[in-house]
Amino acid sequence: GQNIDQPTEMTATEGAIVQINCTYQTSGFNGLFWYQQHAGEAPTFLSYNVLDGLEEKGRFSSFLSRSKGYSYLLLKELQMKDSASYLCAVRSGGYQKVTFGTGTKLQVIP
Amino acid sequence: GAVVSQHPSRVICKSGTSVKIECRSLDFQATTMFWYRQFPKQSLMLMATSNEGSKATYEQGVEKDKFLINHASLTLSTLTVTSAHPEDSSFYICSASELKGRETQYFGPGTRLLVL
Repeated sequence: GQNIDQPTEMTATEGAIVQINCTYQTSGFNGLFWYQQHAGEAPTFLSYNVLDGLEEKGRFSSFLSRSKGYSYLLLKELQMKDSASYLCAVRSGGYQKVTFGTGTKLQVIP
Repeated sequence: GAVVSQHPSRVICKSGTSVKIECRSLDFQATTMFWYRQFPKQSLMLMATSNEGSKATYEQGVEKDKFLINHASLTLSTLTVTSAHPEDSSFYICSASELKGRETQYFGPGTRLLVL
């Protein structure tokens, strides 16, 4: 089976930087995704890592270490609209099956 | 990015009726689509993996006869909730993979089902 862990909630200040961690245990690892989900809406794609290292995309960056089963999502210059749940998801095995973590609810405060 | 649509966006039905939800990839072909269910304040739970032209692969604990999945073409998958009950009320979300190397999953907007 798979086990994906991420903090349940985080709070950060507008304009600051926040790092959301995700650890996973799986067999047949084939990529890790980060999604943003606002309340009542479907998830939207943020990033995808399959190789070790940091991928930067604007204010958002994602890091992966396959040997450690660890990833983080880094959000810079936080804005109020960044308040949302951030879902870590791991793909493994055949049929591209993706399993989601429970999500981290981020609250950005003024 | 790729666009995935779902219809209907919201449905209210009486207990015992069946509800069909459509998932379409609008600008790409998706050999694989996924159906998820999300209860309030919980994460997405994969229900089944739908492959075009073959039977869906269901996750443990998901009843095949209750949640019928059909993937008739490379752009359409349907989920039918048969004999719906109040406990089936949930947010149902589909996703599809765009086969361009990175194979990112793109999600539809979701269907909110309320069974009375």
